[in-house]
Amino acid sequence: EVQLLESGGGLAQPGGSLRLSCAASGFTLSNHVINWVRQAPGKGLEWVSSASGDNTYYTDSVKGRFTISSDSSKNTVYLQMNSLRAEDTAVYYCAKIGTGGGWYFEYWGQGTLVTVSS
Amino acid sequence: EVVLTQSPGTLSLSPGETATLSCRASQSVRNNYLAWYQQKPGQAPRLLIYGASSRATGIPDRFSGSGSGTGFTLTISRLEPEDFAVYHCHQFGNSPPTFGQGTKVEIK
Repeated sequence: EVQLLESGGGLAQPGGSLRLSCAASGFTLSNHVINWVRQAPGKGLEWVSSASGDNTYYTDSVKGRFTISSDSSKNTVYLQMNSLRAEDTAVYYCAKIGTGGGWYFEYWGQGTLVTVSS
Repeated sequence: EVVLTQSPGTLSLSPGETATLSCRASQSVRNNYLAWYQQKPGQAPRLLIYGASSRATGIPDRFSGSGSGTGFTLTISRLEPEDFAVYHCHQFGNSPPTFGQGTKVEIK
């Protein structure tokens, strides 16, 4: 059974850093595209970043500030978030794409809340 | 980027009725790569439909997706109590992937 478990959220000050983790089970993470999607309080969903092998992708608002990476020995993907801003406040979900063509999000973790505030 | 506009913002219906949700794209979605998700309060989104019309594993057949190009529809027939939730559309045919703002289906 595919499972994704996020951790690492919490309160950070503007300009600060956090590292989110997404531990995968039921599949080998390095063989799949893994994504981060966020949802600000009361708002819609926003794609943040994707990793496919050595290729990484980011939404414009986080380029240069966020870095997606993975540790195959731990079957875990990370999102290093630096220079945090108030507008980064959101629930962050990791998601695995499906196999039916294209990068749609078939499996989701339960999410981890990031709050950026002084 | 492709802007997805969902309508209506809120749909008030009774159990047993049919819900029709619209998702319009600002430009054609390549390969009709359009997905729908259901989200309940405090929960992660759940995949319903991908590729505009393919139901995800375990999704009841009262959920159906249709459309192509710039216009897509999610139809929920015979609404069950557990169907009252927020529904998001998502295009993944054009980069970057984008989501609509969501449609809330509430009990009338």
